[in-house]
Amino acid sequence: SQELEQSPQSLIVQEGKNLTINCTSSKTLYGLYWYKQKYGEGLIFLMMLQKGGEEKSHEKITAKLDEKKQQSSLHITASQPSHAGIYLCGADRSSGDKLTFGTGTRLAVRP
Amino acid sequence: KAGVTQTPRYLIKTRGQQVTLSCSPISGHRSVSWYQQTPGQGLQFLFEYFSETQRNKGNFPGRFSGRQFSNSRSEMNVSTLELGDSALYLCASSPSGHLQETQYFGPGTRLLVL
Repeated sequence: SQELEQSPQSLIVQEGKNLTINCTSSKTLYGLYWYKQKYGEGLIFLMMLQKGGEEKSHEKITAKLDEKKQQSSLHITASQPSHAGIYLCGADRSSGDKLTFGTGTRLAVRP
Repeated sequence: KAGVTQTPRYLIKTRGQQVTLSCSPISGHRSVSWYQQTPGQGLQFLFEYFSETQRNKGNFPGRFSGRQFSNSRSEMNVSTLELGDSALYLCASSPSGHLQETQYFGPGTRLLVL
């Protein structure tokens, strides 16, 4: 099974609507990263969360980390077509391997 | 600062051939990691280089190798290509590769093996 599970796998929302993407880890989280990817392109760094209860915001995107639940959520307020893409959560692994990634959430925003 | 750059952006090879991909990290970054992204397996860690030494390695066969030069630029090589090696190969750089240090990704090299 995947170490990082994201839900939902895909999402279609009307422009202006809010949405939430979740990322749940089966192992202890040492650092949780959110990236956005346009199809076939590289990953754009959004935010990193390090401590339980931490919350960060950038423009209309807010991410929270619940360390006890080993879960992070990404919330987009008043979605826009520019928010469309694939959102990936990644986590540091204590073994030294670099980031392990979630399965991704594909977001489409209808104008 | 310029971002992470990767060359070439697209590549078509045939089975059995070998390929070399290049990655130039952000200036000042000494850690370079490589990832493979496929629709079936998602994003998977290949290996990490720091100061010209491979520091970590993912679960990939020996056909996948890499190296890093003194200017921190890195190359990865795949020998005896298989159809399943078709993927987007991404490299990422960070200052020292420590835990909880953000990695910045390049645009990727899309490899198609026929």
